[in-house]
Amino acid sequence: QVQLLESGPGLVKPSETLSLTCTVSGYSISSGYYWGWIRQPPGKGLEWIGSIFHTGTSYFNPSLKSRVTMSVDTSKNQFSVRLSSVTAADTAVYYCARLVAVAGTSGWSWYFDLWGRGTLLTVSS
Amino acid sequence: DIVMTQSPDSLAVSLGERATINCKSSQSIFYSSYNKNYLTWYQQKPGQPPKLLIYWASTRESGVPDRFSGSGSGTDFTLTISSLQAEDVAIYYCQQYYSTPVTFGQGTKVEIK
Repeated sequence: QVQLLESGPGLVKPSETLSLTCTVSGYSISSGYYWGWIRQPPGKGLEWIGSIFHTGTSYFNPSLKSRVTMSVDTSKNQFSVRLSSVTAADTAVYYCARLVAVAGTSGWSWYFDLWGRGTLLTVSS
Repeated sequence: DIVMTQSPDSLAVSLGERATINCKSSQSIFYSSYNKNYLTWYQQKPGQPPKLLIYWASTRESGVPDRFSGSGSGTDFTLTISSLQAEDVAIYYCQQYYSTPVTFGQGTKVEIK
């Protein structure tokens, strides 16, 4: 059974960089699929952050692209996201997910077939 | 970006009755080259992550009860719960993957009347 588990600091100060890691069990991330991050501010809707393949090929939401980096560690079966210069608007539950990649009209696109339980990241001084 | 708009924002339905949720995209998400509508539906119960229910607008994910069905094409889509059960209380989201960035609707909350 494939499971995803997010880990992170829980609290980050404004202007700092948040870093979150997703550990995948029951499936080797090198075997295929894209992997990615989605966030959900408290009481609000869902926002795609970015997607990454095990080769390191990545794609980001243009609204966050200038502040986001993603990486993969196949030896640990993990992938990570870093978001710089955070503000209170970045407070959210951050989910990692397995993505089903499809050929869209602007290249690859995705929907999300497995999700982690999510981790709350609060930005506050 | 493609804007996804759901209606209503919330609805209350009696147990065993039909629940209907609508999702409208700001442009067509039907890709003629593949003859497919690039739309998914997710269910999110309180304190849980979203769960994939339907993809390609009408294909149920494995294990999803057949009381859930998706329909529509182009810009207008519907998720129907044919006979509402207590465990269906949740927020339902649509998502387009026709183009990046992929985008979600604002969600529709389903409750028991």
